[in-house]
Amino acid sequence: AQSVAQPEDQVNVAEGNPLTVKCTYSVSGNPYLFWYVQYPNRGLQFLLKYITGDNLVKGSYGFEAEFNKSQTSFHLKKPSALVSDSALYFCAVREGGGGATNKLIFGTGTLLAVQP
Amino acid sequence: KAGVTQTPRYLIKTRGQQVTLSCSPISGHRSVSWYQQTPGQGLQFLFEYFSETQRNKGNFPGRFSGRQFSNSRSEMNVSTLELGDSALYLCASSLGQGDYSGNTIYFGEGSWLTVV
Repeated sequence: AQSVAQPEDQVNVAEGNPLTVKCTYSVSGNPYLFWYVQYPNRGLQFLLKYITGDNLVKGSYGFEAEFNKSQTSFHLKKPSALVSDSALYFCAVREGGGGATNKLIFGTGTLLAVQP
Repeated sequence: KAGVTQTPRYLIKTRGQQVTLSCSPISGHRSVSWYQQTPGQGLQFLFEYFSETQRNKGNFPGRFSGRQFSNSRSEMNVSTLELGDSALYLCASSLGQGDYSGNTIYFGEGSWLTVV
């Protein structure tokens, strides 16, 4: 069965410092990986995805993620955190790779708190 | 280009009642999925529709149902509401299904359902 793990419930970082939100996955076949962000009382906003190609994926709002096949990880990163980045972040994998479904399997989420 | 539109945004229902939630996908998108988000269970997949056909279904009781219309708009229905159905219900849309292009999956703002 495919799964995603976000080992940290919360990540605290000072504004201006680099941030990393961790995600590991378990899939059969090629992984299709996504990061979403959720602000309070809002839906999910797409940040970036990895399908194939370069292991470093650039996304919205200055975020990027590094795909590491040997470590089965897809960590979200940003060089310089902003207070406005404070939100709940979800990593997800599309079930069955890129096949006949758009079903996403989500991690439990990581709350990012950026202190001014 | 309008995003995924969900209505209503907020609603309160009484135990035993039923509720219908609506989702209009991004123009041109033909795949619609539904998710339930609760603090305890996180994000859970409900069902997925493509070309008016249910293509995938999550592990929810039969009280949860959905459909998709010819214009790709979708509705989900929950009958005989229980307190535990209180949640944020999220709709997601994607361009297609059954392809390996890694279509991005976009989410709406959600419908907040409170059952009292």
